[in-house]
Amino acid sequence: GQQLNQSPQSMFIQEGEDVSMNCTSSSIFNTWLWYKQDPGEGPVLLIALYKAGELTSNGRLTAQFGITRKDSFLNISASIPSDVGIYFCAGQEGANSKLTFGKGITLSVRP
Amino acid sequence: DGGITQSPKYLFRKEGQNVTLSCEQNLNHDAMYWYRQDPGQGLRLIYYSQIVNDFQKGDIAEGYSVSREKKESFPLTVTSAQKNPTAFYLCASKETGGFGIQYFGAGTRLSVL
Repeated sequence: GQQLNQSPQSMFIQEGEDVSMNCTSSSIFNTWLWYKQDPGEGPVLLIALYKAGELTSNGRLTAQFGITRKDSFLNISASIPSDVGIYFCAGQEGANSKLTFGKGITLSVRP
Repeated sequence: DGGITQSPKYLFRKEGQNVTLSCEQNLNHDAMYWYRQDPGQGLRLIYYSQIVNDFQKGDIAEGYSVSREKKESFPLTVTSAQKNPTAFYLCASKETGGFGIQYFGAGTRLSVL
């Protein structure tokens, strides 16, 4: 099946730095989701985006739904050690559609 | 406390054995999903069910089977036909109505003895 494009596979940053991730698709989606997965746990929803151009924040996290509906961006500001984990993007065409996932980006934060 | 419960957390399978992973949700969601996660591979859909007594194959259904006899429960059986079962298995359910957001359980790690 189709997958969304997330790269690089791993990112290493210093505590306190900001980090940006993007996710691209060859198809249009009407919902974009960002999940975080801690080691050995299930993904937890961070932010959901429902409208092209939408910019949504959740604490230190900000995500945007691209105007073309083929991409989305996640920014984490002032990173802390507990930000370590795998960040997945997911796209959905409609409420009754399956989710299409990216392969995830593993974030490491150096103290 | 509403949520999705997967059990067991760790499971070991012997050669030629079938094993069943449990997934229970009390969120009153109609749709439920099973995903397989391998390192660096993201999430791959095994089976999904949109309603009780109905389920559909996902992208990698070979060697797996499911049932959906109750709304709350969607067990996954990893059969002996699945030659490479070692992976992290995730169950999810999708909110009914609204934007159809999926929520995940904590996962089951299956290893082969």
